[in-house]
Amino acid sequence: GAGVSQSPRYKVAKRGQDVALRCDPISGHVSLFWYQQALGQGPEFLTYFQNEAQLDKSGLPSDRFFAERPEGSVSTLKIQRTQQEDSAVYLCASSLAPRNSGQPQHFGDGTRLSIL
Amino acid sequence: GIQVEQSPPDLILQEGANSTLRCNFSDSVNNLQWFHQNPWGQLINLFYIPSGTKQNGRLSATTVATERYSLLYISSSQTTDSGVYFCAVSTSGTYKYIFGTGTRLKVLA
Repeated sequence: GAGVSQSPRYKVAKRGQDVALRCDPISGHVSLFWYQQALGQGPEFLTYFQNEAQLDKSGLPSDRFFAERPEGSVSTLKIQRTQQEDSAVYLCASSLAPRNSGQPQHFGDGTRLSIL
Repeated sequence: GIQVEQSPPDLILQEGANSTLRCNFSDSVNNLQWFHQNPWGQLINLFYIPSGTKQNGRLSATTVATERYSLLYISSSQTTDSGVYFCAVSTSGTYKYIFGTGTRLKVLA
């Protein structure tokens, strides 16, 4: 497709379950970012990939969060043993340039995660 | 880390009115984007504007990097302009965006 695609759009899980969120970036984009947006707040950075290499995971809130991009295209964000505070919208963005230099980030529509 | 403040935090307009939204940042930036988050949560890219001026229809933006601010102008506002406007910046040597505090806009018919 022409834009960044995320699935599922909505996910409801019970506390303690594992979830996996998918991001399909724009074809050819080197950089891929994950952000978390809590209700009423702006997005906050989670992690960054340049191709398949995860260069920055400083924003991941705990070791229950894990992200991968094994072939340098599709990325998956996994949350283990979900907790209620994980409820948020998870946004994926991609950029043509490495390290976001001189190029805009393009965002997907997000996955709205609700933990019951 | 860099601080990004937006003003005003909330804005209510009558349809057809003009407005100016401001984004102040506390350090030099190498990337800056303005986004519109619509009521359905979609984050729409409006402008990539680390410096200079750009226009797109009823919207225009100006970034004065040396004075550490950016402005978004909305003219002849429409109800579909409602939502939250964010600016996002990154600093030299980094790549992750730091989002501003947002301006919540409501345009009344």
